[in-house]
Amino acid sequence: EDQVTQSPEALRLQEGESSSLNCSYTVSGLRGLFWYRQDPGKGPEFLFTLYSAGEEKEKERLKATLTKKESFLHITAPKPEDSATYLCAANNAGNMLTFGGGTRLMVKP
Amino acid sequence: DAGITQSPRHKVTETGTPVTLRCHQTENHRYMYWYRQDPGHGLRLIHYSYGVKDTDKGEVSDGYSVSRSKTEDFLLTLESATSSQTSVYFCAISSVSYEQYFGPGTRLTVT
Repeated sequence: EDQVTQSPEALRLQEGESSSLNCSYTVSGLRGLFWYRQDPGKGPEFLFTLYSAGEEKEKERLKATLTKKESFLHITAPKPEDSATYLCAANNAGNMLTFGGGTRLMVKP
Repeated sequence: DAGITQSPRHKVTETGTPVTLRCHQTENHRYMYWYRQDPGHGLRLIHYSYGVKDTDKGEVSDGYSVSRSKTEDFLLTLESATSSQTSVYFCAISSVSYEQYFGPGTRLTVT
């Protein structure tokens, strides 16, 4: 059975304090690893897709990386506006996404 | 929200009543999905569609049915709503690139 686990469940950072979010996955026939950002009361917003181990993608203060067993979302010098829940999801051979439980990030000024 | 709208955005209904949620897209994407999001369970797939009149079950399909008569519309029906179906429902769309784009959600409360 496909499984995606995110850690930590919640993370509090001071503005400017860099950190990483983890996404471990067990998926047969991985076709992509996706990261989303979700703000309260809104739908998930697509951030990145990673397809193969060693791949990296960047967007502003965020960088996503992928290994054969996990993905990391690195946040460099975060700002309060980066506060949100970050979701990762794995796409299997059946074109269905399995989501992790999310990491709730809070960045204090 | 990538040309996706959901209606209604909020609904309160009573146990045992039928409810239909609508997802409308303007992107002409082939795939459409219905998810529910609950605390402690994350996002779970209810049903999905891979073309007009082509649908299949997801992880938590019991108590739900779907229909897709046009490319742009995907309907989710709760035939007889129960309190366990109180949730936030999200529609998503994707093309062959597998990236899914989500709508704004519908908050459903079953009393």
